[in-house]
Amino acid sequence: ETGVTQTPRHLVMGMTNKKSLKCEQHLGHNAMYWYKQSAKKPLELMFVYNFKEQTENNSVPSRFSPECPNSSHLFLHLHTLQPEDSALYLCASSQDPSVYSYEQYFGPGTRLTVT
Amino acid sequence: AQSVTQLGSHVSVSEGALVLLRCNYSSSVPPYLFWYVQYPNQGLQLLLKYTSAATLVKGINGFEAEFKKSETSFHLTKPSAHMSDAAEYFCAVSRNQGGKLIFGQGTELSVKP
Repeated sequence: ETGVTQTPRHLVMGMTNKKSLKCEQHLGHNAMYWYKQSAKKPLELMFVYNFKEQTENNSVPSRFSPECPNSSHLFLHLHTLQPEDSALYLCASSQDPSVYSYEQYFGPGTRLTVT
Repeated sequence: AQSVTQLGSHVSVSEGALVLLRCNYSSSVPPYLFWYVQYPNQGLQLLLKYTSAATLVKGINGFEAEFKKSETSFHLTKPSAHMSDAAEYFCAVSRNQGGKLIFGQGTELSVKP
């Protein structure tokens, strides 16, 4: 595997289900990010992790719970979601978030549908 | 605060025509600027970035962008569009704290045969 991978690619879940999204980066980066991409809206940064520590929570509802066990893996645990949470969830990584010129590398995303 | 505005949510060109996608930024400090492309059902891929080394930046797939400080612009161009260029394009500016990216709303590029 190379780059940033995400599983599953597609997920349909009911409002009472609990599921998890997984992201893995194979780039040796130190920072990882979760974004939400909804139709007709700009990408929304949700969480930032740097060296496994959460450095930003962008006022995300508690029904989204991130976990970063190491610099290569990032999870997003989902529970009691709402239909408006349906979106493409993108994971990204970067070498060092304190260096502003470093670009972020994105995974292919998980298309989430909440029914 | 930094922000990015992409003019035109949808641009349509004919194959072989010039591609011009507009991006204006607002930043109180010298910005780092990025263009990303997103093909259907895929994540974002970096096309090019400006980090103050040169105002004309060349990227992948024949794209380039010119940083114009006086106009606070970073427009993306390609001399001759190809059908495979059809995608959504995002301009982004790096915030001055934490290296986080602020994205524009995106421009969907259509290429007609």
